[in-house]
Amino acid sequence: NAGVTQTPKFQVLKTGQSMTLQCAQDMNHEYMSWYRQDPGMGLRLIHYSVGAGITDQGEVPNGYNVSRSTTEDFPLRLLSAAPSQTSVYFCASSPSARSSPLHFGNGTRLTVT
Amino acid sequence: RKEVEQDPGPFNVPEGATVAFNCTYSNSASQSFFWYRQDCRKEPKLLMSVYSSGNEDGRFTAQLNRASQYISLLIRDSKLSDSATYLCVVSGNTPLVFGKGTRLSVIA
Repeated sequence: NAGVTQTPKFQVLKTGQSMTLQCAQDMNHEYMSWYRQDPGMGLRLIHYSVGAGITDQGEVPNGYNVSRSTTEDFPLRLLSAAPSQTSVYFCASSPSARSSPLHFGNGTRLTVT
Repeated sequence: RKEVEQDPGPFNVPEGATVAFNCTYSNSASQSFFWYRQDCRKEPKLLMSVYSSGNEDGRFTAQLNRASQYISLLIRDSKLSDSATYLCVVSGNTPLVFGKGTRLSVIA
């Protein structure tokens, strides 16, 4: 029973590099989302998707892209990494966007030097 | 006014104590409310949903006050293992909005 799987767990990037954080869920959830968590800032929503082919911006979308080609996968792309993107990233899913609790992945700890 | 506000704490309480956290929200149309627990360097995990009539799960009691727009979490007989950050979550104009969390330390 995998739930929400995030890879990688840890990543170090140099400024300007690009990479994709992977997120997959096996619960057939329509809603998926990406958050970043920084000390003192709480969880901030980056992008979300209410179903395959549909994505929308959250509170802090700049510097990130997403796509949702399947129900299961919701990758987050960093186009040109910056030190300000050093953070812990969490992917989460739920059956619906507002009325159901979120299931979180284990997180990806990203450092940009 | 922020969408969801919590007292950041820390709350330092002895084992066996009762502790309560409040969380205020600004969107009067919010319909769904949850409490999450987050341990250091781990992902948030659902502690309990909050229902209009209030609900209890063992030592934990959650209450909703729609008129004053706040939810509360009461922990009775605190255990060392309750030490964590407690996040208030509310449905809002965008999908679920998280408070910044209240840190609890239970001391032996």
